[in-house]
Formats: sequence, C-alpha cells, structure tokens
Amino acid sequence: EADIYQTPRYLVIGTGKKITLECSQTMGHDKMYWYQQDPGMELHLIHYSYGVNSTEKGDLSSESTVSRIRTEHFPLTLESARPSHTSQYLCASSGFYRYTQYFGPGTRLTVL
Amino acid sequence: DAKTTQPTSMDCAEGRAANLPCNHSTISGNEYVYWYRQIHSQGPQYIIHGLKNNETNEMASLIITEDRKSSTLILPHATLRDTAVYYCIVRVDRSNTGKLIFGQGTTLQVKP
Repeated sequence: EADIYQTPRYLVIGTGKKITLECSQTMGHDKMYWYQQDPGMELHLIHYSYGVNSTEKGDLSSESTVSRIRTEHFPLTLESARPSHTSQYLCASSGFYRYTQYFGPGTRLTVL
Repeated sequence: DAKTTQPTSMDCAEGRAANLPCNHSTISGNEYVYWYRQIHSQGPQYIIHGLKNNETNEMASLIITEDRKSSTLILPHATLRDTAVYYCIVRVDRSNTGKLIFGQGTTLQVKP
C-alpha cells in the first residue's frame, strides 16, 4: 500500500490569501509530481521534481510554486489565491519506474 | 506521440469479468501500456503495465495483441468497488518528465 499524504483534504479560502498545500510520502521516492484536475476533466501535470532541490514546471501553466527541500516533502504554494485556482490538486510520487506513480487523496481547493 | 482510444463508458454485472479495450495503433516499439483508474473524487490508482507480453497481478490482467496496436484490461470478478474511470496510457513522454497523459478514459459502471 502506497503511503502518500496530502493536507488539507478540503480548503475554502478567500481571494488574495496565501496558501500551501502539503504533500508527503514515506516510500523514499525521489520523483514527485503535482497534477491539477477540474471536475469531470482530465488531469494535467503542473509541477514535478526529480529529487531534492530539483523542480520543473509541467505542461499546464500554473501560478503556483513548489519546493523540494526534503525527499519526502513536496509542498505547493499559491501566493495570492484567485477563484480561477479553484480545482483539485493531486500529488504523486514514483521510484525507479517513473510511470508507476502513487497518488495521494488530493486537496479540493475552493477560492471565493 | 502515440494516441489511445477508449470507449467512453461500459457496464458490467457484479461478479462477471470486465473487459476494457484500448486502441493504440501508433505505439512505438519501446512504449509501454499503463492502466490506471480513478474512483470518484480520489487520486488515480496504478493498476498494471506491460510492453508486449501479457501481464497479471492481484488486481487485473493485461492482454496486449501481438501487433501491440491494442490491449484489454481484464478485471476477472468485478465488484461494485471497481466502478471508476479507467485510463489506458501509453508512455508518450519524450522529455523524460514522467508526465502521465490521462485522457478521458472509460467510465466503468459495475451493476448489482
């Protein structure tokens, strides 16, 4: 069973607030990913990391930023939340086989 | 990039085998076929993957045709908990990001 955690599971916040979505994994995976998914729509990769101090932007342009200071931790930050950021954010990790990814439960963000 | 085509939706009776097809006629020789599923509002779950041989694990079987242009995911005894969107993904990433392209998938409804 994969051990990857995301907090909070649900977040409702006002416009302009700074938020950080947490993602942690206990599998020792070096690769981690953030995907974004609107209701009923496809998942899109927004950030990924191949290891500590490595972060890259994915396909879908996002105003969020990420950091990777520790192997197990890959937080996502929005400096100033807007209604357009309302979505579900899914974190994943993988080990040697990068396409065998383990996903967290997701954070459903609503910006009012 | 290899493209996959899946039926939009399928029904299956509980206890019966669910056979989910996927076409990937432009797949190249070194591309794997991956299957994931997403149960409503949860993060995607890795199921199985294969290159050209049939594969089986505790969740499912993957049958890949000899020409590799199509594959079938088999859930041998579907339960109500198998109701989900199933994604057939060909490893299409050329930039080594580990990006998974999920597409629309097949919505499998398992009925009592």
